[in-house]
Order: sequence, then structure tokens, then C-alpha cells
Amino acid sequence: NAGVTQTPKFQVLKTGQSMTLQCAQDMNHNSMYWYRQDPGMGLRLIYYSASEGTTDKGEVPNGYNVSRLNKREFSLRLESAAPSQTSVYFCATRGATATNEKLFFGSGTQLSVL
Amino acid sequence: GNSVTQMEGPVTLSEEAFLTINCTYTATGYPSLFWYVQYPGEGLQLLLKATKADDKGSNKGFEATYRKETTSFHLEKGSVQVSDSAVYFCALTTGGFKTIFGAGTRLFVKA
Repeated sequence: NAGVTQTPKFQVLKTGQSMTLQCAQDMNHNSMYWYRQDPGMGLRLIYYSASEGTTDKGEVPNGYNVSRLNKREFSLRLESAAPSQTSVYFCATRGATATNEKLFFGSGTQLSVL
Repeated sequence: GNSVTQMEGPVTLSEEAFLTINCTYTATGYPSLFWYVQYPGEGLQLLLKATKADDKGSNKGFEATYRKETTSFHLEKGSVQVSDSAVYFCALTTGGFKTIFGAGTRLFVKA
């Protein structure tokens, strides 16, 4: 029972390079999220997908794109990486839209952009 | 807009000391409130939650009470252990799909 799986765990990019962060869940959850974690700023929402086939911007979407490939998978793409995108990225899921439902998190991707 | 403010860390305590981490919020409607914990190298996991005013969430000796009159949800534990060393995040969810997090408070517990 893997839960939420993120790949890769670590990545180093040069400025201008592109890459895709992968997230897959086996919990049959409808909503999926991408957050970034920066020191002193907590977690900030980049994009989310309320259900298969829909995506919406969060608090800090600039420089990112997402794809909800199917119910299981939600990928985050950096088209032209910048040093400001150095961060730890977390994928999360939620089983229902009720406000009392918790989030389930993956173990994170540590990204450095040089 | 909705927001969560929690005390800055790091907080350093000796084993068996009393812990309080303050959290206040601003929200429209009737949010649910959460504390998540992050251990080194891991993702966040739910510690406890409360879904309406005056509810008390509790887990593993930690407690927090949803105070609507003071818009607060302070985390407390009577006797911390070294294994409680982690980063603690206060969060809220209102109607819709988004959860808002505080900046996190790092706790160090010394033996």
C-alpha cells in the first residue's frame, strides 16, 4: 500500500532546463495538489486538481504547469527552471471535498536550480 | 483572505517539559483546523484536527482546542519526548479544495 508516491526524490537542474515531477496515488482519491515548501514560508499551493480532467491555479502558479493524466497521476512541469524554484515539492491528495478531510502527502522532491 | 499565523521557532525544550505552540487564523465561514507534523526527510502527516468551535482534537498526548472567540488553535503537550522533535504546521480548510498552512514551527527536544 504505497499511498502517494513522488519521483524523483532529488534533482539538480541548471537554469533554463526543464523537468517534470511525477506523482501517483493508489488511494482512489479525487483531488490532488502540488505544494512547495520554503524556509519560513510554510507550504504554498502551486496547482490543484479537484477531479480527473480539471486543474486550477493555487497561490504561486507562475513558472509551472500541471497535467492530471488520469485519476491516479498528477504531474508538475517546470518549463524553464529558475533559481527561485529551488524548493522542496510535495504532492498531496484528499479523498473528499469536505473541509474536515485531511491531506495525504508524498515524501517530497528536493529540487535545486543552479 | 484566509490565513494562518503560528509562532516562530525554533522552540527548544528539555525532555518532559510542557509544550505550547501558538496558532491563530483568519477565515471566512466555518473552517476545519488541523495540526500536521513533519519528521526529518518525510512528508507531512496529520497529528490532530477539530472541525467546529469548542472541539478538542487529540493524538499521541498532543491536544488543541478550536477557539472561535479568539480565532486560535494552540497545540499543547504536557511532557515532550526527544521523539517529538519535528516541524509542526497549523492549517485550515474552508469550503472548497484548498488548505492554507502556517509557516511551521520547528521543535527540538533535548534529552
